[in-house]
Amino acid sequence: AQSVAQPEDQVNVAEGNPLTVKCTYSVSGNPYLFWYVQYPNRGLQFLLKYITGDNLVKGSYGFEAEFNKSQTSFHLKKPSALVSDSALYFCAVRDVSTGFQKLVFGTGTRLLVSP
Amino acid sequence: DGGITQSPKYLFRKEGQNVTLSCEQNLNHDAMYWYRQDPGQGLRLIYYSQIVNDFQKGDIAEGYSVSREKKESFPLTVTSAQKNPTAFYLCASTNRDGPTGELFFGEGSRLTVL
Repeated sequence: AQSVAQPEDQVNVAEGNPLTVKCTYSVSGNPYLFWYVQYPNRGLQFLLKYITGDNLVKGSYGFEAEFNKSQTSFHLKKPSALVSDSALYFCAVRDVSTGFQKLVFGTGTRLLVSP
Repeated sequence: DGGITQSPKYLFRKEGQNVTLSCEQNLNHDAMYWYRQDPGQGLRLIYYSQIVNDFQKGDIAEGYSVSREKKESFPLTVTSAQKNPTAFYLCASTNRDGPTGELFFGEGSRLTVL
């Protein structure tokens, strides 16, 4: 079965510094990978996705993600963090092993950006 | 504006009671989903529906039921058979059957069993 792992429960970074939120995946076949953000007591908002093509994917709010096939990773990055980026971030992979292609989520990483 | 509307935002229930969470979308999406979110566990799929009048169980369907009588609506009933129903429930939809489409989420409903 397809799966993703987010090895860090929380990431702390100072405002203005670069941030990285890690995600590794396990799939059979082509990986279809997604990043979402969730603010407290809100739904998930789509940030970006990797389907094919360039390994560097640009998304909303200045976020980008780097797809690395050899390391089976899809880390989320931002060059300069903002306090307002503090939220819960989810990595997800599309499970294409069955007829229904559900989205499988990681356990989430809480990002805390300090002023 | 197009989007997904979930109601109520907060709901309290006594043990032994059934409750129904509403999910309405005006995005003209064919596929709709219900996820459950618990702290530290990510999102787990309860039920999904790819077309009207058809739905399938997800990974944790026991104690839940759904219907899909209209394209716009996908209500979730949490029955008394659900052993631990206190959670944050998220409804989502997508307009593509293939693997490349992202899901759009509602704002969620928080259910607390007293």
